[in-house]
Amino acid sequence: QVQLVQSGAEVKDPGASVRVSCKTSGYTFSDYYLHWVRQAPGQRLEWVGVVHPTAGSAGYAQKFQGRVTITTDTSTSTVYMHLRSLTSEDTAVYYCARPLDTGSYSSDFDHWGQGTLVTVSS
Amino acid sequence: DIVMTQSPDSLAVSLGERATITCKSSQGVLFTSNNKNYLAWYQQKPGQPPKLLIRWASTRESGVPDRFSGSGSGTDFTLTISSLQAEDVALYYCQQYYTTPLTFGPGTKVDIK
Repeated sequence: QVQLVQSGAEVKDPGASVRVSCKTSGYTFSDYYLHWVRQAPGQRLEWVGVVHPTAGSAGYAQKFQGRVTITTDTSTSTVYMHLRSLTSEDTAVYYCARPLDTGSYSSDFDHWGQGTLVTVSS
Repeated sequence: DIVMTQSPDSLAVSLGERATITCKSSQGVLFTSNNKNYLAWYQQKPGQPPKLLIRWASTRESGVPDRFSGSGSGTDFTLTISSLQAEDVALYYCQQYYTTPLTFGPGTKVDIK
């Protein structure tokens, strides 16, 4: 079955960077874009960006441009999100999410990782 | 960016009664070439990721009980729970996937009266 397993919770100082991983299994990695979505406490879900699984090309929400990089490792079917210059406003649960349809860049999501809590606090 | 709004913010419904949530998008999400509305509904319970309930505004996902239904087109959409069950207590979000950035509504909390 399809699984997206994310790395564990992180606590970071303001100004630091964080890398969250999402290891996928149970499907052909190259067939689906992978997305990152975050949810700050009590807030709505917020789309961070998307990456092509093999080409490595990525698209990001304007809000995160210049501060986030999403990459893939095809040898391990893993996707990474690297977020820099953290502030307290980046405190959130970060989810990786896979679209329902193959080859779909702009999509809804039928599979999600379990979420990774990133806490930014001094 | 397409801004998604939802109403109400929260609602409490008696068991077995109907719950209705509305979602509006700031721009239309109907793709005329295939006549599909790029609108999804999710259910989220505490400590869990969202669960996809409905896509294309009205297509129920496999395994989703038929008491959940979606309707609407263009910019105005509705999620209806026809007979609320205890396990339906959750947050409900709409999402447009017509274009990036993908955007979500603020959520509606459904509770038992």
